[in-house]
Order: sequence, then structure tokens, then C-alpha cells
Amino acid sequence: NAGVMQNPRHLVRRRGQEARLRCSPVKGHSHVYWYRQLPEEGLKFMVYLQKENIIDESGMPKERFSAEFPKEGPSILRIQQVVRGDSAAYFCASSLSGTGDSGNTIYFGEGSWLTVV
Amino acid sequence: DAKTTQPPSMDCAEGRAANLPCNHSTISGNEYVYWYRQIHSQGPQYIIHGLKNNETNEMASLIITEDRKSSTLILPHATLRDTAVYYCIVRVPGTASKLTFGTGTRLQVTL
Repeated sequence: NAGVMQNPRHLVRRRGQEARLRCSPVKGHSHVYWYRQLPEEGLKFMVYLQKENIIDESGMPKERFSAEFPKEGPSILRIQQVVRGDSAAYFCASSLSGTGDSGNTIYFGEGSWLTVV
Repeated sequence: DAKTTQPPSMDCAEGRAANLPCNHSTISGNEYVYWYRQIHSQGPQYIIHGLKNNETNEMASLIITEDRKSSTLILPHATLRDTAVYYCIVRVPGTASKLTFGTGTRLQVTL
């Protein structure tokens, strides 16, 4: 998948703990997207970030979820006080740019599987 | 982004061509057609995209009708490893332009 790296690949958390998922985009990409896929369901957009800025967070739950993409380092999706319903696969994707490119392909990582027990 | 319609499932014999249709009758002039696939328990994989002209790469061919209201993804020689859910997505590649996934077509390649 063209170099988007996600870790951890699998994460187990107890209810009430915090989960942090990290995403390193393809080298040179400055746009990051996070998606969630619940068991047996489709991919749902969560948030779109450009370096240090949240561009679109229309798919993010209002509470407990946050995302950042700092100037240096990976993008982080943070889930506080996890509940069993947060158990899902979380996919990160990246693109070179978001503006006016005639193709601007988005590439995905292999995902982080969160299990809340 | 325009809505797309795909058949929920298709079967294809190994070695034969798999032709996956997609309707996007409300597509606008600056929207591209993208195809991704998701093999079980893996991340979505980019396959191909196009605007008006037919496109071909090492994975597949994309045929877009002249009126751009529908397209077909062709896997010329399907293998068992092509079994996956295939998503057709239309998108304007610009600011704040995310991919919106529908339900896709579940392609089952059989011996």
C-alpha cells in the first residue's frame, strides 16, 4: 500500500483506557485521512488533516475522539475512555496534496485493529 | 461527491476477465472515477482512476462511457487473489476532498 505505515497493528484495551493509533504517511505526503471500519460494515470517513490543521472532522464522534498531525512526527488518532463499541479497524491514508491536483491519489495503510475488552 | 451504484456481488472463474460495472449518472464534469479494492482484513488498495479517457495499468483497465455516466473495471485474467470487495468512487481531487466508500461489489473468483 505505497508506504503508509500504521502502528500498532493490533491493540487490546480495557474499557476506560486510552488508545493511541499512529500513522506515518507516504514520504512527502502532507495530507492524512482516518477511516473506521466496524466489524462486517463499510469504511466510514472520520477526519482529514493537513500538517498541523484539521481540514474536515465531519465523521469524528463528538466526544472521546481526537486527531492530530503535528509538524514533525506521525499523525495520531486518540480515543479516550474506550468502550466496546470502539472495537474496529482504523485505517489511515495519505495523499501528496489536497488542492487542484489532477489525480491526487489517496493511499491506505494496512490498518490498526482495536479490541476493547 | 456523486453517488455510485454497484451490484452487491459477482462471481468470476479464474483466468477469465472480470468486468465490474458502476453507475454514476450524476457525475459532474470535474469528478474523477476511482476504483479501490479491499481484500479481507487488509487496507483498501488503489487500483486505477480516470476522468474521460479509458485507462490501463498493470492491475486493470477502466472503461468510461462517453457520457461519463457509467464505467467498467476490467481485470483481464482474474485469479483467486483478486477475490475482494471492489469500490467505485467519484471524487473531485481538490481541497478537503475525501473518498466516500459505498457498499461496493463483492467479487468472488472461483476455480
